[in-house]
Amino acid sequence: GAGVSQSPSNKVTEKGKDVELRCDPISGHTALYWYRQRLGQGLEFLIYFQGNSAPDKSGLPSDRFSAERTGESVSTLTIQRTQQEDSAVYLCASSLEPQGLRGYTFGSGTRLTVV
Amino acid sequence: AQTVTQSQPEMSVQEAETVTLSCTYDTSESDYYLFWYKQPPSRQMILVIRQEAYKQQNATENRFSVNFQKAAKSFSLKISDSQLGDAAMYFCAYTNRRGQGAQKLVFGQGTRLTINP
Repeated sequence: GAGVSQSPSNKVTEKGKDVELRCDPISGHTALYWYRQRLGQGLEFLIYFQGNSAPDKSGLPSDRFSAERTGESVSTLTIQRTQQEDSAVYLCASSLEPQGLRGYTFGSGTRLTVV
Repeated sequence: AQTVTQSQPEMSVQEAETVTLSCTYDTSESDYYLFWYKQPPSRQMILVIRQEAYKQQNATENRFSVNFQKAAKSFSLKISDSQLGDAAMYFCAYTNRRGQGAQKLVFGQGTRLTINP
């Protein structure tokens, strides 16, 4: 596609439920990144993928968070047993070259609200 | 670990005037990249300008320019002839240039820029 697409745009879920957030990167982009942005805050790195592998998962806040990427394309971020502190905007980005040194292309994010 | 600090949570400027947003960073690396991203209410992060640490010349993109002071670890963004469409959150970001693999961006906390008509 022309840009990075994320779905759903907004998600409200009850505490304790599992959620899946989807990211469709730009076709051919090898690197894919997930970031979390809490209200009024900067972006926190969660995980990145090089192809289908995740060399750096250091930003995942707990074992309730996991992510996968298939076909060097779509990525899914899964949050199990959601907590209120998980409420945030989850942003996905992709880049053509691995280091993203020309900058990433970001999606518009998924706003997750845990009630 | 690298850190990025934006000390101005909010800034405002009159339309057509010039405004400068501040950013400082901390790193022990010598080769890296710095970026300014803009985030309008649509939430999508848009790359405004980037600077390669090994280049002494300050980057410029139309009305946007940077003042890169490597020794001081300072990277400010100057917006000239401010326009209403410039209103947004602005984030300073850092990434190492090391190895062949992907590198994560480290972001500052952001500066909310308001343009007064």
